[in-house]
Amino acid sequence: NAGVTQTPKFQVLKTGQSMTLQCAQDMNHEYMSWYRQDPGMGLRLIHYSVGAGITDQGEVPNGYNVSRSTTEDFPLRLLSAAPSQTSVYFCASSFRTGDWGTEAFFGQGTRLTVV
Amino acid sequence: EDKVVQSPLSLVVHEGDTVTLNCSYEVTNFRSLLWYKQEKKAPTFLFMLTSSGIEKKSGRLSSILDKKELFSILNITATQTGDSAIYLCAVAGYSTLTFGKGTMLLVSP
Repeated sequence: NAGVTQTPKFQVLKTGQSMTLQCAQDMNHEYMSWYRQDPGMGLRLIHYSVGAGITDQGEVPNGYNVSRSTTEDFPLRLLSAAPSQTSVYFCASSFRTGDWGTEAFFGQGTRLTVV
Repeated sequence: EDKVVQSPLSLVVHEGDTVTLNCSYEVTNFRSLLWYKQEKKAPTFLFMLTSSGIEKKSGRLSSILDKKELFSILNITATQTGDSAIYLCAVAGYSTLTFGKGTMLLVSP
């Protein structure tokens, strides 16, 4: 099915471990982004990409790395997990940067717990 | 820095009531304002607004944008328990989509 696919859905990490959250879209969307959602905080932008090979920081980038080697994939890496990174993570994509003629499409989310 | 402020942050109403949710914003290079409904999973799209004064409607939900005063409202009439959710307002600049903190709506039977 077309859309944004996030994996895994759930993950428990120990402090200091590393992991990669995967995000893939098959809609040829130019724009992809990662958000984290904490209770009462809405969605906060971590990193975004306006095309393959181009990434930029959002509001809360510390502790996270991203890369965009293909149009389809936008993985989010936690190099050394901390309890403050316990959150629900959403990947989103849209057709064209700067042209929000279509709404952002969201993945189903990854619930990450760091103990 | 782009900013989106939603009010109220939470709201409890009785089934059948009408509610109005508010969203004000300060965004450079404004492109559009979007409303989402979030239940237990990912946000689902409700409306996208780009022009002032044009109401968008979908069933019991409607929304309007005022680009001069920099705000939008989302109205829900004849609320039902299935309307209980977090309602998110987001504003699209050129390269980012900035969200407010959301309004948590609880509709009691």
